[in-house]
Amino acid sequence: GQQLNQSPQSMFIQEGEDVSMNCTSSSIFNTWLWYKQDPGEGPVLLIALYKAGELTSNGRLTAQFGITRKDSFLNISASIPSDVGIYFCRGTTSGTYKYIFGTGTRLKVLA
Amino acid sequence: EAQVTQNPRYLITVTGKKLTVTCSQNMNHEYMSWYRQDPGLGLRQIYYSMNVEVTDKGDVPEGYKVSRKEKRNFPLILESPSPNQTSLYFCASSLRGGGTATYEQYFGPGTRLTVT
Repeated sequence: GQQLNQSPQSMFIQEGEDVSMNCTSSSIFNTWLWYKQDPGEGPVLLIALYKAGELTSNGRLTAQFGITRKDSFLNISASIPSDVGIYFCRGTTSGTYKYIFGTGTRLKVLA
Repeated sequence: EAQVTQNPRYLITVTGKKLTVTCSQNMNHEYMSWYRQDPGLGLRQIYYSMNVEVTDKGDVPEGYKVSRKEKRNFPLILESPSPNQTSLYFCASSLRGGGTATYEQYFGPGTRLTVT
């Protein structure tokens, strides 16, 4: 089935560093969403993007909807230990109820 | 408290022994979905339901069944489990599904299934 590729697959960073990750697809999407999964929990929605080129922030998080509509980016500024977890992107196209999630980026923060 | 509950949280079973993982939500959501999470593969959708008595296949439906007889419940059934169904399973619900308007999905705490 269709999948979204996330990069990097995992990353170790020092506390206070900025983080960048992306999600790419061969298909066009109408919306992009970013979720975070804390260890032992289900994913929680962070940011939703609705049109190409859109840049949206949520605290230290900033996400962008790629202009080709085939990719999206998530940045975390000044990382802190509670940023640890797995970050997933999700793409949605109109006319379908099927949801496609990315392969995930596992983030580990070293204090 | 608004939530999605799953039971059991952990299950170890043997090949071929039928099992059901229950999922219930108390938010009157129309859309419910099951996912499996495997290392390096992310979350993959198994089945989804747009409303009562309306279900459809996700990307990896083989070996699974679902039913939606009531709005709040969406059980996942493994008629004859096999070792390749060992995984972490999540149920999720949202007010509605599909379209360009995005309704936030609320995820359950997960069920870790091991099939030996």
